[in-house]
Amino acid sequence: EAEVAQSPRYKITEKSQAVAFWCDPISGHATLYWYRQILGQGPELLVQFQDESVVDDSQLPKDRFSAERLKGVDSTLKIQPAELGDSAMYLCASSLGTVETQYFGPGTRLLVL
Amino acid sequence: GDSVTQMEGPVTLSEEAFLTINCTYTATGYPSLFWYVQYPGEGLQLLLKATKADDKGSNKGFEATYRKETTSFHLEKGSVQVSDSAVYFCALRLTGGGNKLTFGTGTQLKVEL
Repeated sequence: EAEVAQSPRYKITEKSQAVAFWCDPISGHATLYWYRQILGQGPELLVQFQDESVVDDSQLPKDRFSAERLKGVDSTLKIQPAELGDSAMYLCASSLGTVETQYFGPGTRLLVL
Repeated sequence: GDSVTQMEGPVTLSEEAFLTINCTYTATGYPSLFWYVQYPGEGLQLLLKATKADDKGSNKGFEATYRKETTSFHLEKGSVQVSDSAVYFCALRLTGGGNKLTFGTGTQLKVEL
């Protein structure tokens, strides 16, 4: 069964360092999402792509976060510089275009020291 | 703004017990409602959904009914198993809101023998 791949699964970094996460969606899925899940809270959408274009990045802290999906396939989410409050699980999901077909990856757990 | 409120966990039950996890929502218009499940070490998976008032979503023995009058979407299962141990998230999507999901904080369920 096809899955959304994410790497790394765990990342420990120091405050003010740069960090990047990678996501490989299910083949053929045009829509890709990045979510942030703070411990004890539900996932919050950071950015949504349709192919290589950003559809919604209203909740993305653009002063330090950036996301790209250059060829409309895999995607990278970057944080620079990382802050203590960025410690969270970062989830990637992809879909054929409806929320019902949204498949989530296992996530990258980030700890900022 | 739109929001989802879930009962706090963890909820600990014995195998074969009856499960209810409460979920209420606040939204303008008439949202679609979802339950997602996150098993340990895995990504979120769609468990069930309901798109209009009085709809009942069901899957794997779980069910939830969309109650507009009480703005609720409580998750129920008649007889839980150890394998149901997971974190359960209630979520909504606004009509015309694209594929943006608003999640609750999640409820951890632990089922013991």
